[in-house]
Amino acid sequence: GIQVEQSPPDLILQEGANSTLRCNFSDSVNNLQWFHQNPWGQLINLFYIPSGTKQNGRLSATTVATERYSLLYISSSQTTDSGVYFCAVVGGAQKLVFGQGTRLTINP
Amino acid sequence: SQTIHQWPATLVQPVGSPLSLECTVEGTSNPNLYWYRQAAGRGLQLLFYSVGIGQISSEVPQNLSASRPQDRQFILSSKKLLLSDSGFYLCAWNLSGRQARGEKLFFGSGTQLSVL
Repeated sequence: GIQVEQSPPDLILQEGANSTLRCNFSDSVNNLQWFHQNPWGQLINLFYIPSGTKQNGRLSATTVATERYSLLYISSSQTTDSGVYFCAVVGGAQKLVFGQGTRLTINP
Repeated sequence: SQTIHQWPATLVQPVGSPLSLECTVEGTSNPNLYWYRQAAGRGLQLLFYSVGIGQISSEVPQNLSASRPQDRQFILSSKKLLLSDSGFYLCAWNLSGRQARGEKLFFGSGTQLSVL
């Protein structure tokens, strides 16, 4: 099945810093989503982005489908951005496969 | 608007006891429904998914089962819990028949299960 790798596994930053999270996938996809899991476990859907670029406030995402990767950018980080960020893709098997996540810690 | 409810939020059960976790979706009809398990704060593993009443697909062989008795109700069960069943269980939904074409997946708040 399709493989999803996220990097880095852990990232610690000071408030106000910018960050880039990466998601690589092993096969062509027709669905790619980014999620944020807050410290209480709630998973929030950030972007649906199988290709191209989208922006939502301080967050933006870019997927280059031909090169099989997606990037999530967080600018001017805030402590509330802390948590785990997941990339998930749907390949030929029609089911969403999750990466192992990037744990982001923003210190005040 | 659509909402998803999952309960209980936390559960502590002895080994060998039964389990029933319930998930309901409001504000939509004929959703796809999913059960995921997350161990140690990383990596969501798909356990079951359902595209309609009584239609359940299992992703991994295990001690758990799922049922969909009503259109917007999804239940995760076990007859006898094992220590290895401990984890964070998440219910999710998206619009019917469209996961491949790009409908967003929405999650419930999760159940933290501890088997002792």
